[in-house]
Amino acid sequence: VQLVQSGADVKKPGASVKVSCKASGYTFTNNGINWVRQVPGQGLEWMGWIGTYSGNTNYAQKFQGRVTMTTDTSTTTAYMELRSLRSDDTAVYYCARDSPDSSDWGTFDIWGQGTVVTVSS
Amino acid sequence: QSALTQPRSVSGSPGQSVIISCTGTSSDVGDYKSVSWYQHHPDKAPKLLIFGVSKRPSGVPDRFSGSQSGNTASLTISGLQAEDEADYYCCLYAGGYTFVIFGGGTQLTVL
Repeated sequence: VQLVQSGADVKKPGASVKVSCKASGYTFTNNGINWVRQVPGQGLEWMGWIGTYSGNTNYAQKFQGRVTMTTDTSTTTAYMELRSLRSDDTAVYYCARDSPDSSDWGTFDIWGQGTVVTVSS
Repeated sequence: QSALTQPRSVSGSPGQSVIISCTGTSSDVGDYKSVSWYQHHPDKAPKLLIFGVSKRPSGVPDRFSGSQSGNTASLTISGLQAEDEADYYCCLYAGGYTFVIFGGGTQLTVL
């Protein structure tokens, strides 16, 4: 069971970035996928969730209007696109699977390796 | 949006025990029995240690335990080992427009 994310990316302010997260080793549509980021020197920050079966999404208020989470069930891949990038979006972005052992929000049992996104002019 | 307060740092010697607290409000920690804890080593992915306040995923040593009293959840690490040196985060469902929040994180130093 693993989540493998796309490689590091460098973007200019105002651009968009799309990070992928490929799942393997389990039935992709059984568990939702969350996106969490860590800005350098700061803590973990939940960005949102997508139901891999329904396609339903819940976004943290902070990112509403700037983020879109999608999935492609044919390739068992989840995507997170963040638009209108600013320098303070420079961070490591993680995808994380909802644990099958809990129905509680915030329980993530498998994490991707992280994708470094740098926003710089 | 509620905030979860953790001590910025804690420390202990090998073999000792440490407790990391996570304080919220009656609207989050006190209301939902759904606190989880994560261990995060630099340049690695976070690891789930505890969920549902006190449950351990398979493979997590029983040196790690969770509890809750009122609006404060706690992670206890017993028999400290050098590899326990990491950042620790509490996490829970906060409702409202944010759904999920993390505490600010606690840096554990093993002396």
